[in-house]
Amino acid sequence: EPEVTQTPSHQVTQMGQEVILRCVPISNHLYFYWYRQILGQKVEFLVSFYNNEISEKSEIFDDQFSVERPDGSNFTLKIRSTKLEDSAMYFCASSLPTGSEAFFGQGTRLTVV
Amino acid sequence: SQQGEEDPQALSIQEGENATMNCSYKTSINNLQWYRQNSGRGLVHLILIRSNEREKHSGRLRVTLDTSKKSSSLLITASRAADTASYFCASYNDYKLSFGAGTTVTVRA
Repeated sequence: EPEVTQTPSHQVTQMGQEVILRCVPISNHLYFYWYRQILGQKVEFLVSFYNNEISEKSEIFDDQFSVERPDGSNFTLKIRSTKLEDSAMYFCASSLPTGSEAFFGQGTRLTVV
Repeated sequence: SQQGEEDPQALSIQEGENATMNCSYKTSINNLQWYRQNSGRGLVHLILIRSNEREKHSGRLRVTLDTSKKSSSLLITASRAADTASYFCASYNDYKLSFGAGTTVTVRA
């Protein structure tokens, strides 16, 4: 069964460093998303992406965040200068049309120290 | 936030019993979806109900949607130990899912 894959599964970084979280969405999906979940809290929307453009972004997704689809398969989330409060589980998701069932990856646990 | 509350926050039931959880949302929606999460791992889609639907079934799952009350419920019938997980509702609108805080369900063998 096709699945969304995320790498790495766990990343530890120093405060102020840049991190890139990688995702390979399901190959025929058109819409891509990043969500995050701070430990013990709800899943929060960060950004949705379609046709090489951001469709929607949340207040969390400020200038420190960016997304890119550098080739036909990868979808990346970059955090330019990490803060302690960026520590969370980051989930990538994809869907065929928007609003349909979203398939989530297993997440990248980001720890900022 | 588009998403309201879910209740209960936690639910403990015996295997074979039914589990019911509710969620509310704040704004108009295109559809409402339910997801399951095991121990902080990825979210698994369970069922989607469109805004013009009132009830939907999938296996042991039954979902209702009341758009006048901006609420939805998920019923899991004949629960199994393997159903132990956190369950989240997520309202879909404007290219994004807005998740509730979730209900943690523990099914005792």
